[in-house]
Amino acid sequence: DGGITQSPKYLFRKEGQNVTLSCEQNLNHDAMYWYRQDPGQGLRLIYYSQIVNDFQKGDIAEGYSVSREKKESFPLTVTSAQKNPTAFYLCASRGGTGGPNQPQHFGDGTRLSIL
Amino acid sequence: AQSVAQPEDQVNVAEGNPLTVKCTYSVSGNPYLFWYVQYPNRGLQFLLKYITGDNLVKGSYGFEAEFNKSQTSFHLKKPSALVSDSALYFCAVREARTGNQFYFGTGTSLTVIP
Repeated sequence: DGGITQSPKYLFRKEGQNVTLSCEQNLNHDAMYWYRQDPGQGLRLIYYSQIVNDFQKGDIAEGYSVSREKKESFPLTVTSAQKNPTAFYLCASRGGTGGPNQPQHFGDGTRLSIL
Repeated sequence: AQSVAQPEDQVNVAEGNPLTVKCTYSVSGNPYLFWYVQYPNRGLQFLLKYITGDNLVKGSYGFEAEFNKSQTSFHLKKPSALVSDSALYFCAVREARTGNQFYFGTGTSLTVIP
């Protein structure tokens, strides 16, 4: 069954620690996105990637890093520089036939909390 | 700048009544518009989109939305609400020609009262 898998579902970070959130898709989509969701603030874009080995900063990239070494994978690292990392993180992908009017497909998220 | 506004944080409606969730947008060119639904601790699920053509678009689960260019609005509607429609709804916009990013509203929490 095609889709996007995010892991883990829940993650706890100690102060000063980097943590990595996994996002894998088997939809053969070129574009992938990371969003942060906070209550009452909607979704804010952290990073996005249009193609393998290329990615761009979104609106709130500070304190985060990504890589795109494979089409299927777009991991997000929350670094110790991100002072307020507690949030729900959503990964999305977009692609397929139909071009730029295709909607995004979302994973079920990772909830990150501070210990 | 591109943006989306959902003016109501919360909408309550009785089961069986029609529902409307409001969305207005701002883009520099032609918009691609989307509605998504989110259930607790889940990702967003695509409901419907407006790209071009007929201003009334139909989507999943009996939802529809009306594009109004003069009012820059894209309100989500359903003729008869179900309790299972209770969820968080997001409107999103993307500039058609050059936009690589999607811009989301802050979400509207819909509660359908039995």
